[in-house]
Amino acid sequence: QSVLTQPLSVSGAPGQRVTMSCTGSSSNIGAGYDVHWYQQLPGTAPKLLIYSNSNRPSGVPDRFSGSKSGTSASLAITGLQAEDEADYYCQSYDSSLSGVVFGGGTKLTVL
Amino acid sequence: EVQLLESGGGLVQPGGSLRLSCAASGFTFSSSAMSWVRQTPGKGLEWVSAISGSAGSTYYADSVKGRFTISRDNSKNTLYLQMNSLRAEDTAVYYCAKDKGYFDRFDPWGQGTLVTVSS
Repeated sequence: QSVLTQPLSVSGAPGQRVTMSCTGSSSNIGAGYDVHWYQQLPGTAPKLLIYSNSNRPSGVPDRFSGSKSGTSASLAITGLQAEDEADYYCQSYDSSLSGVVFGGGTKLTVL
Repeated sequence: EVQLLESGGGLVQPGGSLRLSCAASGFTFSSSAMSWVRQTPGKGLEWVSAISGSAGSTYYADSVKGRFTISRDNSKNTLYLQMNSLRAEDTAVYYCAKDKGYFDRFDPWGQGTLVTVSS
């Protein structure tokens, strides 16, 4: 069981907006540590998608956005495209564990 | 272009040892903290270990502490993970990743190397 909780799956039709959550606790997200998001396309390594809660690395479309509030964070994708079908993982730091923690991942299906 | 290329994975018996390598290029390796992250189908992504640029500081997840050792050779731009006393639950794809800072984001990741612990 992962320290950060993510829904197993979300889905949406092309062009729609989807969101996925990442729920932590007072020793990680709630303690103020940054949340980062990764996209993992089938058969490939994870790729940084959002860093420090809401920032996009160069080359990531602005259809992807992140936010954080309290002990949770969210990733939103607008204008859903078939190529967005992937697994998405959140990551933060946990002071109780003194290490990096990940969510279990959310599988996005584009209908 | 930053590139990370892992090698050294394979099949090993329980209790055995394996050393993974990660060859880095495209950035100042000695200035960058590095990490190993593993991925299993059942448990998703799990951070394993991190090391500072100078190798003066190392960090481990509780699940591998005392069994795994992270190291680096800055003259060869290479990161290592020595894995001893391997268990079935260590079976995973192991990725090396460049840290932005201690326990910060990972960018980029290598392509991964598969470690299978089985008799």
